Amino acid sequence: GAVVSQHPSWVICKSGTSVKIECRSLDFQATTMFWYRQFPKQSLMLMATSNEGSKATYEQGVEKDKFLINHASLTLSTLTVTSAHPEDSSFYICSAKHYREAYNEQFFGPGTRLTVL
Amino acid sequence: AQKVTQAQTEISVVEKEDVTLDCVYETRDTTYYLFWYKQPPSGELVFLIRRNSFDEQNEISGRYSWNFQKSTSSFNFTITASQVVDSAVYFCALSEAQNAGGTSYGKLTFGQGTILTVHP
Repeated sequence: GAVVSQHPSWVICKSGTSVKIECRSLDFQATTMFWYRQFPKQSLMLMATSNEGSKATYEQGVEKDKFLINHASLTLSTLTVTSAHPEDSSFYICSAKHYREAYNEQFFGPGTRLTVL
Repeated sequence: AQKVTQAQTEISVVEKEDVTLDCVYETRDTTYYLFWYKQPPSGELVFLIRRNSFDEQNEISGRYSWNFQKSTSSFNFTITASQVVDSAVYFCALSEAQNAGGTSYGKLTFGQGTILTVHP
């Protein structure tokens, strides 16, 4: 089955530092990856859509300069939270869409829990 | 704009009871996809079902069943004979079709989630 991994699974950092989260499709190629954010006891909200080789598309209200997304290969997308602050503490989940449109599936990663002190 | 509403914030049942989780959606698209996911305390989303707007057939999978009613824009989820292991947050989600043929879907819009607690 298709597997999506995220690294790290959890991270604690000091306010003002930057944190990079990786999302990898392990056994398939993904032209599109999605990044979601989930605050405690809330729903998942889409942050951005990441397409391999092009700039990410951010949802309204998401600061693109703060949440840097790079999708450099068909199996890897990264989300960097720059100058993180306590309000950025959240659960970040990615999903990867199989590159073959006929194989109409998306697969979610296990999530990364970010705590900013 | 797309919207998914799960009016039940929390549901508490005793083991072996049947429970139905409601989901109502709004979309202007004629072709779309509906989903249910389970999120246990670990946080990882567990895929339960995907249904496209062309297919209004109800589905049963073991103790799980889904009722898709296009006329009322609802996609309800029923767990029969609930078990303690069913305790989790359940999300209903909606995605528009990404191509003209409606064979591909894109980003998901999630409902607020329903916390289900099954007591022994």
